[in-house]
Amino acid sequence: DVKVTQSSRYLVKRTGEKVFLECVQDMDHENMFWYRQDPGLGLRLIYFSYDVKMKEKGDIPEGYSVSREKKERFSLILESASTNQTSMYLCASSLRRMNTEAFFGQGTRLTVV
Amino acid sequence: EDQVTQSPEALRLQEGESSSLNCSYTVSGLRGLFWYRQDPGKGPEFLFTLYSAGEEKEKERLKATLTKKESFLHITAPKPEDSATYLCAVPGNTPLVFGKGTRLSVIA
Repeated sequence: DVKVTQSSRYLVKRTGEKVFLECVQDMDHENMFWYRQDPGLGLRLIYFSYDVKMKEKGDIPEGYSVSREKKERFSLILESASTNQTSMYLCASSLRRMNTEAFFGQGTRLTVV
Repeated sequence: EDQVTQSPEALRLQEGESSSLNCSYTVSGLRGLFWYRQDPGKGPEFLFTLYSAGEEKEKERLKATLTKKESFLHITAPKPEDSATYLCAVPGNTPLVFGKGTRLSVIA
């Protein structure tokens, strides 16, 4: 079974802090994604990566950056956390670029105070 | 623009009362449609992939079907443990485009 592991289930951070969310997958998948999920807005794509050291902006990249130094690990960085970044963050991975299913981690519930 | 619309937003069923959830999509060149189940506070769990019109997939009380414009998730004789939000998604010009989901509640 595919396993996607996010480093934290719950995080509380202060406004202005730099926040790192880590994600690791164990199935040698090429593609990794970061989404955020908010009530009424659904899942929105922040950033994705098709290969090591590659990154592509999704629909809402502002205020975020990412890092993929190794194939199995994809990190989301909030450069200066703000209260409007309070959300559920979901990492996912998939085997091939476009038409394969994605597998999700358990999610990180981030609260910025 | 690629779009996925799910209906209804919420559905409340009695245990054993069968029903269907709808996922309609607008995408140039369908390359697959995916169904997920999401429990509160957790990440989505993959259920099915459908690739061509007429295709059907089944898992326990769930059956997913696909036409050229929409997909249905049929739930036969649901149980309370089927309560969850069901999401559908399609590959677009960027990675998967998700609908906002149908929140299903099954009452004993």
